[in-house]
Amino acid sequence: GAGVSQSPSNKVTEKGKDVELRCDPISGHTALYWYRQRLGQGLEFLIYFQGNSAPDKSGLPSDRFSAERTGESVSTLTIQRTQQEDSAVYLCASSYTGGGYNEQFFGPGTRLTVL
Amino acid sequence: QQQVKQSPQSLIVQKGGISIINCAYENTAFDYFPWYQQFPGKGPALLIAIRPDVSEKKEGRFTISFNKSAKQFSLHIMDSQPGDSATYFCAASNPETSGSRLTFGEGTQLTVNP
Repeated sequence: GAGVSQSPSNKVTEKGKDVELRCDPISGHTALYWYRQRLGQGLEFLIYFQGNSAPDKSGLPSDRFSAERTGESVSTLTIQRTQQEDSAVYLCASSYTGGGYNEQFFGPGTRLTVL
Repeated sequence: QQQVKQSPQSLIVQKGGISIINCAYENTAFDYFPWYQQFPGKGPALLIAIRPDVSEKKEGRFTISFNKSAKQFSLHIMDSQPGDSATYFCAASNPETSGSRLTFGEGTQLTVNP
């Protein structure tokens, strides 16, 4: 079946603008994660959704970052008033259920460049 | 306590050689240790994973060695091939966090020369 998809693949924006990134998880996966990957660095956890439960937002770096997910489908990550330090690749992953030893399947990411 | 330290940052190996990447952790709550492989422009993909109740896991040319007492684990790639050239990330899962959150190492860029 189809893997995790993300759009857009690349986004260039000006400082101060808002951006919205989209993630389509694998169908049937109840868990969805967002990560940030800065150049030459590992993945940094941002937010976790599990079914209809309240999301774990503990990794969001500031209140300019927010995310939503409708049920067990699409998720959007919104960054308001973008700053140059927000430039990174934003990765989405989904898994059949959160926790345990469930494999996380990653999308190709959205490369965000803030000028 | 959440940190996973990975080394080396980059590695160059000749075709047919052995590639070794090391990771160390502090948090004894971690209970699952996957390795991810990432090619340029792609998301990471699970390569191999181990649980702390075993000391070694082998899948084809890829082996994880796990030392629970030292809190270290490593990835060995035997007979390295140019197609193995990628960035490798170790990770550790903490069941005490929501979703058994993964903490990633900083990555190792592997280049296998033909």
